[in-house]
Amino acid sequence: NAGVTQTPKFRVLKTGQSMTLLCAQDMNHEYMYWYRQDPGMGLRLIHYSVGEGTTAKGEVPDGYNVSRLKKQNFLLGLESAAPSQTSVYFCASSYQRTGGHQPQHFGDGTRLSIL
Amino acid sequence: GNSVTQMEGPVTLSEEAFLTINCTYTATGYPSLFWYVQYPGEGLQLLLKATKADDKGSNKGFEATYRKETTSFHLEKGSVQVSDSAVYFCALMLWDGNEKLTFGTGTRLTIIP
Repeated sequence: NAGVTQTPKFRVLKTGQSMTLLCAQDMNHEYMYWYRQDPGMGLRLIHYSVGEGTTAKGEVPDGYNVSRLKKQNFLLGLESAAPSQTSVYFCASSYQRTGGHQPQHFGDGTRLSIL
Repeated sequence: GNSVTQMEGPVTLSEEAFLTINCTYTATGYPSLFWYVQYPGEGLQLLLKATKADDKGSNKGFEATYRKETTSFHLEKGSVQVSDSAVYFCALMLWDGNEKLTFGTGTRLTIIP
């Protein structure tokens, strides 16, 4: 059971380059999330999706775009990478349940460096 | 707005010592509270949760009690092991249909034999 899989695991970009991070989950989860983790900042929500074809902004959405064309996949795009986007990126997914929290299942992260 | 404040790290303890990691929160409503753990090189995993006042969450020897009067959710373990070395995150969620978590900054715990 793969759970949540993120690709790639590591990437180095130059300022201005673009790239897409892929998140795939095999648990049939409705909700998916993209976070970034920075030292001393904890995890901050970038964008999230409550179902196929829907996306919404989180706490720090600027400079990122997302798409959820298939239920199992959630893509995070950087159109023009900046050094401030150097971070570790985590994808997570969870079941939908009204009135109660379902645990978020996390991938192992993508370490991204922007030079 | 909503926020979580947790104990600054890093924390270093000897094996079998007692652990407390403090967590307090500010929320505009009545949140659910969580502790997530991140082992080296991995993503976060849910450790325990509590959804209403005076609830105690517990797992793997860890415990935390939801204290509404002090807006706290401190993590405790009576006897830590080397395998407990990880980063621990306190988090809250206010149900608004979107299941968004607000995380604290994390506390790195190192247990030495």
